[in-house]
Amino acid sequence: AQSVTQLGSHVSVSEGALVLLRCNYSSSVPPYLFWYVQYPNQGLQLLLKYTTGATLVKGINGFEAEFKKSETSFHLTKPSAHMSDAAEYFCAVIAQGGSEKLVFGKGTKLTVNP
Amino acid sequence: NAGVTQTPKFRVLKTGQSMTLLCAQDMNHEYMYWYRQDPGMGLRLIHYSVGEGTTAKGEVPDGYNVSRLKKQNFLLGLESAAPSQTSVYFCASSPYTENTEAFFGQGTRLTVV
Repeated sequence: AQSVTQLGSHVSVSEGALVLLRCNYSSSVPPYLFWYVQYPNQGLQLLLKYTTGATLVKGINGFEAEFKKSETSFHLTKPSAHMSDAAEYFCAVIAQGGSEKLVFGKGTKLTVNP
Repeated sequence: NAGVTQTPKFRVLKTGQSMTLLCAQDMNHEYMYWYRQDPGMGLRLIHYSVGEGTTAKGEVPDGYNVSRLKKQNFLLGLESAAPSQTSVYFCASSPYTENTEAFFGQGTRLTVV
């Protein structure tokens, strides 16, 4: 069964600083990986996803993530944080081959300080 | 384009009452999911469906029932509400292919008193 671990339930950065949100997965088969963002009192929207091919994936709002199979990781980064990036971020995994279950991590709340 | 619509958006129930949450999607998606979101717990899968007429249990199914009589609708029922079911409930849908992202509704905030 697949699972997702997000290291750090809260991350605080200064505006303009690097954002790094960590995600490690556990899956018995190669997974598909997703990052979602949730703004206050809203649903979740997709930031980016990894399915196959290039391991460095670019998403919306300047975010990107790199799939590292050897480290079972899919960390989310952004070179320069903006105040509007303050939100909660969720990593999710679904296993290839008919698992059907989309499993989420517990989330990381990002605070951006002026 | 409505996407995924959840009804109602807010509800307060008394312990022991029953209710049904409705999720409707207009994207002809095969997969539909119900999650609950609690502080510090992320999203936990309650039940899901891989097509009309099918349902399956997720991580936290106890106290909930679901039905998928029509492809576009996925209903979540609480037969006898308990305070532990106070949460924000999210519905999501995705196409048949598993490498495609899920689309989420705006959530239903349920309080059981």
